[in-house]
Amino acid sequence: AQSVTQLDSQVPVFEEAPVELRCNYSSSVSVYLFWYVQYPNQGLQLLLKYLSGSTLVESINGFEAEFNKSQTSFHLRKPSVHISDTAEYFCAVSKSGGYQKVTFGIGTKLQVIP
Amino acid sequence: EAQVTQNPRYLITVTGKKLTVTCSQNMNHEYMSWYRQDPGLGLRQIYYSMNVEVTDKGDVPEGYKVSRKEKRNFPLILESPSPNQTSLYFCASSWGSGGPREQFFGPGTRLTVL
Repeated sequence: AQSVTQLDSQVPVFEEAPVELRCNYSSSVSVYLFWYVQYPNQGLQLLLKYLSGSTLVESINGFEAEFNKSQTSFHLRKPSVHISDTAEYFCAVSKSGGYQKVTFGIGTKLQVIP
Repeated sequence: EAQVTQNPRYLITVTGKKLTVTCSQNMNHEYMSWYRQDPGLGLRQIYYSMNVEVTDKGDVPEGYKVSRKEKRNFPLILESPSPNQTSLYFCASSWGSGGPREQFFGPGTRLTVL
């Protein structure tokens, strides 16, 4: 069975400081990996995804994540956060090669402090 | 506008009174899914559907039913709701024949069972 671990439930960080949100997964087969963001009182929206190819993926608002197969990780990073990045971030995994379950982590609340 | 819609957005009901939460998408997606979001537990998948008349259980299917008679609709049915089903529910849809590439989420339905 696949699983996702987000070790940090809350991460406070000062504005313009760098941040890393950690995500580790377990799966015995090839996977797709995702980061979703949920702004306060809203639904979820895709931030970035890894399906295949380059292990470093980037979003349009400055976030990036690197797929590390040996460490089974997909950590999310941003070199300089803004107040508007305050949100909850969810890592998710699904198996590639056919419709499958999608497993989410418990989420990490990023609080950007002015 | 491409979107996933859910109705109702808010619902307060009593134990044992059957209810249906509707979900509809206009993107011709094959894959649709239901999740519940609870504090400290993240999102947990209830059921998913790979196409019309093809559904399968997620991680927490007990107490729920689904049907997929049309490609665009994927209603969630609670035949005898109980207080432990009080939660925030999200419907999502996705394209991709080799596994859900990315999911588009509805705005959520907040259900309270008294």
